[in-house]
Amino acid sequence: DAGITQSPRHKVTETGTPVTLRCHQTENHRYMYWYRQDPGHGLRLIHYSYGVKDTDKGEVSDGYSVSRSKTEDFLLTLESATSSQTSVYFCAISEGGLGETQYFGPGTRLLVL
Amino acid sequence: QQQVKQSPQSLIVQKGGISIINCAYENTAFDYFPWYQQFPGKGPALLIAIRPDVSEKKEGRFTISFNKSAKQFSLHIMDSQPGDSATYFCAGENAGNNRKLIWGLGTSLAVNP
Repeated sequence: DAGITQSPRHKVTETGTPVTLRCHQTENHRYMYWYRQDPGHGLRLIHYSYGVKDTDKGEVSDGYSVSRSKTEDFLLTLESATSSQTSVYFCAISEGGLGETQYFGPGTRLLVL
Repeated sequence: QQQVKQSPQSLIVQKGGISIINCAYENTAFDYFPWYQQFPGKGPALLIAIRPDVSEKKEGRFTISFNKSAKQFSLHIMDSQPGDSATYFCAGENAGNNRKLIWGLGTSLAVNP
């Protein structure tokens, strides 16, 4: 998985609790992305980062925040988890030029009860 | 709003047959079109990609056909094998969109032995 790890890999939490997912890369790639994948919706971009402390919203950013204080780490926080945020979350990285491949991590399966 | 429309949603092919997945896009500024392959429990991985200055690109059994005037592109898998059973995603990217891919919803391919 191109030097990308995600933690935790599985998590069960309760509605209303905050949750933080971590993406760590060893490739020194500039761009990092958080996606969620749900049946019938494909891959939807939540937030992305184009450098340390440089982040922007994707198409489904409500209820999520991100931080990137180091090149290698990109954190996704669910402020107050809801059942609609039950999903599989993927982190991806790319070097950033046009046509550069996005490399995906193994995913985190999150269940919000 | 979905800017990349992918069809069919699911596809069943016999071993040795040809699998064809189609995508249509709306944004004429797109200038890079990748296909990603995803196996169950894994993150997507780049399979093959094309730029709009060519009409076809072939890598082994996988071919992308591109029709710029129709704003359509397709993935052909020749001599389909059971190991090709996966979900396939098409996407589009333009240089002015800060490296964000616009994804199709995916096609689940099953190749029967």
